[in-house]
Amino acid sequence: DSGVTQTPKHLITATGQRVTLRCSPRSGDLSVYWYQQSLDQGLQFLIQYYNGEERAKGNILERFSAQQFPDLHSELNLSSLELGDSALYFCASSVVEQGEQYFGPGTRLTVT
Amino acid sequence: EDQVTQSPEALRLQEGESSSLNCSYTVSGLRGLFWYRQDPGKGPEFLFTLYSAGEEKEKERLKATLTKKESFLHITAPKPEDSATYLCAVRRNYGQNFVFGPGTRLSVLP
Repeated sequence: DSGVTQTPKHLITATGQRVTLRCSPRSGDLSVYWYQQSLDQGLQFLIQYYNGEERAKGNILERFSAQQFPDLHSELNLSSLELGDSALYFCASSVVEQGEQYFGPGTRLTVT
Repeated sequence: EDQVTQSPEALRLQEGESSSLNCSYTVSGLRGLFWYRQDPGKGPEFLFTLYSAGEEKEKERLKATLTKKESFLHITAPKPEDSATYLCAVRRNYGQNFVFGPGTRLSVLP
């Protein structure tokens, strides 16, 4: 158990819908990262927050957005969902921005 | 373009048969190379961080090494419980994000 929690574990929704994924980092970790993992693309970095501020963006679609709240938990919002958005979404956290990341168990999103 | 490749894509070993996994990278300004282990359907588990060429880290049957262009994960006398996908990732000098390799799927047969 890494100490990073993610909810929900599984999510099944229809195309065009909007969902919110939630992540609570390890106690004391200020930095949160979001990743998407699909079978054909591997682990893709989406976005990073540090103490509430956006710090880096990767391959995140405009339909996706995220934020980190004052209590340091983070949410990833996915809208206008498409079949290709079906994937595992991981959250990770680290104490400092340059440090090793600890991953949560992931949320499996299925878009039908 | 920054790139991280891993080889082989898949590796099957007999229990006790030592081998090495390779992670090659072309990154401007490396700020760290990370190794992770991932079991199916689970989040990656942190193993090692390497920062400079010549650095080595060990943990149980695993040993990671780093050169200027690649890293190796040596597995000594593996056991079936070492079966997993091993991912390497690099952190660049610019920006704050990590680039992950595609992984090596390791199967250790009893």
